[in-house]
Amino acid sequence: DIQMTQSPSSLSASVGDRVTITCRANHTISNYLNWYQQKPGKAPKLLIYAASSLQGGVPLRFSGSESGTDFTLTISSLQPEDFATYYCQQSYRTPYTFGQGTKLEIK
Amino acid sequence: QVQLVQSGSELKRPGASVKVSCKASGYTFTNYAMNWVRQAPGQGLEWMGWINTNTGNPTYAQGFTGRFVFSLDTAVSTAYLQISSLKAEDTAVYHCARARSPKTSGSLDYWGQGTLVTVSS
Repeated sequence: DIQMTQSPSSLSASVGDRVTITCRANHTISNYLNWYQQKPGKAPKLLIYAASSLQGGVPLRFSGSESGTDFTLTISSLQPEDFATYYCQQSYRTPYTFGQGTKLEIK
Repeated sequence: QVQLVQSGSELKRPGASVKVSCKASGYTFTNYAMNWVRQAPGQGLEWMGWINTNTGNPTYAQGFTGRFVFSLDTAVSTAYLQISSLKAEDTAVYHCARARSPKTSGSLDYWGQGTLVTVSS
């Protein structure tokens, strides 16, 4: 199975901060990398697919990038509604494994 | 608009079975694969597998073979997850989630609200 390692596992930041979350695959996955946001008690929401493509309706402050097997989710200016848990997922090969999650909290 | 509506919470005894439904609307059901994702209490997301809604062919992740069965009723645009011989460790929220594109199976753009299955004696 392809392992996805996210870092950090938790992060404290303030409104307006620029935040970066990283996900590393232990095998090539091309650009088959997705990012999701999940708020407590809610279903996950797709933010980014194909490493850098913004899902419809997602604010432009969210962006994704890739460098080999390293992938990054960036939030350019944190808003109050962005405090949530973020997951990466590879969809290159089954099982489509998720990272362990990054909990973004208010500082 | 696209919607996935799941059945309600279930409380089951160990050894029993449960069947979770996921009714789709707002799109052609057989054009998009359906995935299932588990989330144990306080834990992360775990991909269980997916089912080809055109052929009915399921693919299961390791750890979800044997007791877990994906099925469809295309006449009512509904996917099902059945779990047999329930164990306490099956206690979790189970989500159905649609593949984003007819050409892919793993990028998930619409999700059901989740069904909490609690296994307790």
